[in-house]
Amino acid sequence: IAGITQAPTSQILAAGRRMTLRCTQDMRHNAMYWYRQDLGLGLRLIHYSNTAGTTGKGEVPDGYSVSRANTDDFPLTLASAVPSQTSVYFCASSDSTTSTDTQYFGPGTRLTVL
Amino acid sequence: GQNIDQPTEMTATEGAIVQINCTYQTSGFNGLFWYQQHAGEAPTFLSYNVLDGLEEKGRFSSFLSRSKGYSYLLLKELQMKDSASYLCAVLDSNYQLIWGAGTKLIIKP
Repeated sequence: IAGITQAPTSQILAAGRRMTLRCTQDMRHNAMYWYRQDLGLGLRLIHYSNTAGTTGKGEVPDGYSVSRANTDDFPLTLASAVPSQTSVYFCASSDSTTSTDTQYFGPGTRLTVL
Repeated sequence: GQNIDQPTEMTATEGAIVQINCTYQTSGFNGLFWYQQHAGEAPTFLSYNVLDGLEEKGRFSSFLSRSKGYSYLLLKELQMKDSASYLCAVLDSNYQLIWGAGTKLIIKP
């Protein structure tokens, strides 16, 4: 059982380029999330999806888009990368039908925008 | 606004006990989580509290007081592998997790 996988592990990107971060889970969780983590700050929610076919905006959605075509995959796209999007990106999933709604995280993607 | 406060860094000695505090002000409350995050790795779930009181799980315990907006994580018999950041997060009224910046715990031999 893999849990949650993310790709790539790390990436260096030129400003202005388009980039898609991939996230796949095999736990059949209904909810999925994208966070960014920056030094000295807590995890900040970018976008989320409560179920396949629906998405919502989090705390810091500008410059990012997501889609949820099926239960397992939740890609995050940067349409035109900027240096302020340099960060570590974590994908997470949860079974929000349970009372605890515990989130489980992928290994992260370290993105550098130059 | 919503706010989660926890100390930035703490140092403790191997074999000792350490308490990491977390205070919160959020719009609604549907539970509080503690996660552990080793450097360069993903956060991993440690504990969940939704009712007042102490939840014990091996060497780790977590306490919650909803009236005080306060929680702590207690780590006993510290081991070097416990060196990590500990993240406090609150599930708000919209069932979104609000995260603290984390407490970096340094264990010295």
